[in-house]
Amino acid sequence: GAVVSQHPSRVICKSGTSVKIECRSLDFQATTMFWYRQFPKQSLMLMATSNEGSKATYEQGVEKDKFLINHASLTLSTLTVTSAHPEDSSFYICSARWTGYYGYTFGSGTRLTVV
Amino acid sequence: AQTVTQSQPEMSVQEAETVTLSCTYDTSENNYYLFWYKQPPSRQMILVIRQEAYKQQNATENRFSVNFQKAAKSFSLKISDSQLGDTAMYFCAFMNLLGDNTDKLIFGTGTRLQVFP
Repeated sequence: GAVVSQHPSRVICKSGTSVKIECRSLDFQATTMFWYRQFPKQSLMLMATSNEGSKATYEQGVEKDKFLINHASLTLSTLTVTSAHPEDSSFYICSARWTGYYGYTFGSGTRLTVV
Repeated sequence: AQTVTQSQPEMSVQEAETVTLSCTYDTSENNYYLFWYKQPPSRQMILVIRQEAYKQQNATENRFSVNFQKAAKSFSLKISDSQLGDTAMYFCAFMNLLGDNTDKLIFGTGTRLQVFP
C-alpha cells in the first residue's frame, strides 16, 4: 500500500519551454504532497508543500512563478517548471503523506535536463 | 528552526559486519518523529525505520535498529549483518508533529554507505 507514482522518470526539454511533472497517489488519498529537488550527491531540498484545494506553500528562495504547483485532487499534484533554463536541470522528487500516518511515501523521481 | 546533522559523509563496511551511522538533531519541540531513509542508486527513497519521540524503546526492523537518545538529541542507525544491497545513501530525517497536515520532513546531508564483499 501507499504507492506514489511519479511521471515522467526522465525528460529533456529545450531552454525556454515548460515541463510538467505528475505525482499521483495510487491507493490512498493524499491531502498533502511535497516537492523536493536534489542535486547530485546532495540531500533533498524541500521546494514546496502542496495542499489539496489550496495554494502551495513555497520554501524561502523558491520562485513560485517558475515552479507552479497544482494539487487539484486528493490523488494528484503537479509541478510545472516554466521557462526552463539549464540551471533548472536537476532531480525532482515528490512525496505524499497519508492522512493520520506519520510518514511519507516517495515517488521514483524525475530527472530533468534542460538543453 | 530544526536542523539535522549527519557528520559522516561516507562509510564503508565489509559484508556481514555491523556498521553504525550517526545522526544528531536540534529542536525545542517535544513531539516529533525521526526517520532513516535509504536511497540506492535507483534514487528511490525507501523508509528504513521510524522512531516516535515519545517512545523510549528503540525501534528495530530486522537487521536495522536505532539508538535513540532523546536528551542528547541523537538518533544513530545500526545495520547488522551488512549485505551488498545495503549500499546506498542514508538520510536521517526529522518531522515535527504540528498536527495541521503541513508536517514536513527535514533531511540531513546524508551518509554514503559502501558495503564491500
